[in-house]
Amino acid sequence: QQQVKQSPQSLIVQKGGISIINCAYENTAFDYFPWYQQFPGKGPALLIAIRPDVSEKKEGRFTISFNKSAKQFSLHIMDSQPGDSATYFCAANLNTGGFKTIFGAGTRLFVKA
Amino acid sequence: NAGVTQTPKFQVLKTGQSMTLQCAQDMNHEYMSWYRQDPGMGLRLIHYSVGAGITDQGEVPNGYNVSRSTTEDFPLRLLSAAPSQTSVYFCASSPWGAGGPGETQYFGPGTRLLVL
Repeated sequence: QQQVKQSPQSLIVQKGGISIINCAYENTAFDYFPWYQQFPGKGPALLIAIRPDVSEKKEGRFTISFNKSAKQFSLHIMDSQPGDSATYFCAANLNTGGFKTIFGAGTRLFVKA
Repeated sequence: NAGVTQTPKFQVLKTGQSMTLQCAQDMNHEYMSWYRQDPGMGLRLIHYSVGAGITDQGEVPNGYNVSRSTTEDFPLRLLSAAPSQTSVYFCASSPWGAGGPGETQYFGPGTRLLVL
């Protein structure tokens, strides 16, 4: 019940295209949904995040869409660039019964020039 | 600020050996956490701490111990290393956000551990 399921495992997008990564969760006690970006050999870094009372959040080319009733959220990367090639993790924070962040399995994005 | 630092960067252990992975942060963050990253499994929380003297278990705590004697340091101890503990270990720290700790986690560069 504490899982966060992420798809696809890998994604290849042409430069200028839209990259879409999807995540789903079961536990309705999750109250914060961040996305992290990780480049090879580096630690993850927070990219963008959303709270469940908001349906969409946009920061530059990155947008989170959140569907509370479906328990799904997604990351859209508009005008994808080769520099966006990285692994992306969705996550969900739980602040009841402890303070934990549960991560999805990750999506390896490759943007072709 | 150095941010979150981890040592060593790489370590090879034999089965049964013990070791301590070091983690330090200079941002005065209350929340610190340890994750392991394995291919196809994302990051899994091992242990976390919400302040000096306070620790709790994450998703995969077996085989690991932690303590938090200062705000800055949060070492992870492997009691008796097993091949299943071969992984990349990340330490992270976070300030207390509007909804709780862990909202913006700053990750260290990782420690790559190989257990033979």
